[in-house]
Amino acid sequence: GENVEQHPSTLSVQEGDSAVIKCTYSDSASNYFPWYKQELGKGPQLIIDIRSNVGEKKDQRIAVTLNKTAKHFSLHITETQPEDSAVYFCAATDTGRRALTFGSGTRLQVQP
Amino acid sequence: DAGVIQSPRHEVTEMGQEVTLRCKPISGHDYLFWYRQTMMRGLELLIYFNNNVPIDDSGMPEDRFSAKMPNASFSTLKIQPSEPRDSAVYFCASTPRQGQETQYFGPGTRLLVL
Repeated sequence: GENVEQHPSTLSVQEGDSAVIKCTYSDSASNYFPWYKQELGKGPQLIIDIRSNVGEKKDQRIAVTLNKTAKHFSLHITETQPEDSAVYFCAATDTGRRALTFGSGTRLQVQP
Repeated sequence: DAGVIQSPRHEVTEMGQEVTLRCKPISGHDYLFWYRQTMMRGLELLIYFNNNVPIDDSGMPEDRFSAKMPNASFSTLKIQPSEPRDSAVYFCASTPRQGQETQYFGPGTRLLVL
C-alpha cells in the first residue's frame, strides 16, 4: 500500500518568513496530492491540492510543487502570518481508490 | 450547508462499555469515510462507504469495531467492548461523486476510554 512520509514534524518561523513542508510517497500509481490544515479542536480542512499531470499550483500565499520522478511534493507558504499556525498534513491517493494516506503532520508555529 | 455533523463531540466511557459514534455527511455526497487520529499513529482510515456500501474496511482494527451506513444521510461507528487503547479522536469525512476528491471533515468525536 501507499506510504507517505512528511518532514519536518515541527517548524517555527518568524512572521513574514516562508515555510516549506516536504512529503514523499511510495506508490507510483498515486495521482492526487492534497494538503490539509488542522487547527486545534477542529477537523482537517483542505487548503490546496495537486494532480499528477501538473508540476506546480499556486493559490495566493500557498503553493504546492510535485516531482513525480522523485515522488516528492512540497507545500510552500510565503509571508507567513500568526493565523497560519496549525498542523499541516500531506496526503496521497490514487483517485480510483479514493482512500487518502496521510503523512504524520507538521506543527507550524509562526512567531509574531 | 451545515457541513459534516458528528455526535457526540466528546465521550468518556469505561472499559468494556459499548460506544456509538454518529455522522451525518454533507447532503448529496456519495462517499463517507471514518478516520481515527492518535498521537502515535496519526490519521488512519478505518473504513469508507460509497452509496451506503462499505468499499474498504481493511483499516478497521479488529472485530470490536463495526460501521454501518443505513442510508445516505447517516452512519455509525460502534466499538464493543471498548478498551483504553481506543481513546482517540474519530473523524468522519465525505466527498461528492466520482471525479471530486476533496474530503470534507467533520469536527470529530474525542473518545476517552477509562
